[in-house]
Amino acid sequence: DAGITQSPRHKVTETGTPVTLRCHQTENHRYMYWYRQDPGHGLRLIHYSYGVKDTDKGEVSDGYSVSRSKTEDFLLTLESATSSQTSVYFCAISESELKAEKLFFGSGTQLSVL
Amino acid sequence: GESVGLHLPTLSVQEGDNSIINCAYSNSASDYFIWYKQESGKGPQFIIDIRSNMDKRQGQRVTVLLNKTVKHLSLQIAATQPGDSAVYFCAELRYNTDKLIFGTGTRLQVFP
Repeated sequence: DAGITQSPRHKVTETGTPVTLRCHQTENHRYMYWYRQDPGHGLRLIHYSYGVKDTDKGEVSDGYSVSRSKTEDFLLTLESATSSQTSVYFCAISESELKAEKLFFGSGTQLSVL
Repeated sequence: GESVGLHLPTLSVQEGDNSIINCAYSNSASDYFIWYKQESGKGPQFIIDIRSNMDKRQGQRVTVLLNKTVKHLSLQIAATQPGDSAVYFCAELRYNTDKLIFGTGTRLQVFP
């Protein structure tokens, strides 16, 4: 898994509650990404980071925020979870320092919002 | 848990045959392409990549072909094995966006 750890692996929460997912890497890579995966949609980019405190939106960023205060940690927060955010969330890192090539993915977090 | 739904295109092949998985990409300005394999309950795993200045690249038992004229990418797996059963995704990148965009995937089923 290229030194990527996602936590928690599974979470069940209620609508309206805040949720934070954590991605931790051990190899000091610059680029980190959060994707969600849903049936029929494949992997869709939520947010990504190109350095400490440097983040940008992906194609499905509404309802999500991210933070990167350290190189090794990239946090994804659902401020007020909704049932439409039930999904599998994957964190990824890029081994390239210049471009978003060859992403390596974590094992995923299964989130259920009831 | 299961990461993809029931309505993926499915390719069924016999063990030992060659498999060809196809992908149509959306943007003629895309610079870089990549194939991933995803087994049930796991994250996507890198297989092979190719830049837009190439039309073919080979790896171990896999070959990626790129046809920029028709915006088509294919993954060929030689001598398909049961362990190749998975969902396969293509992805495209435009370097000025730093964002890798994924297709919806194809399920490969290998039967004895």
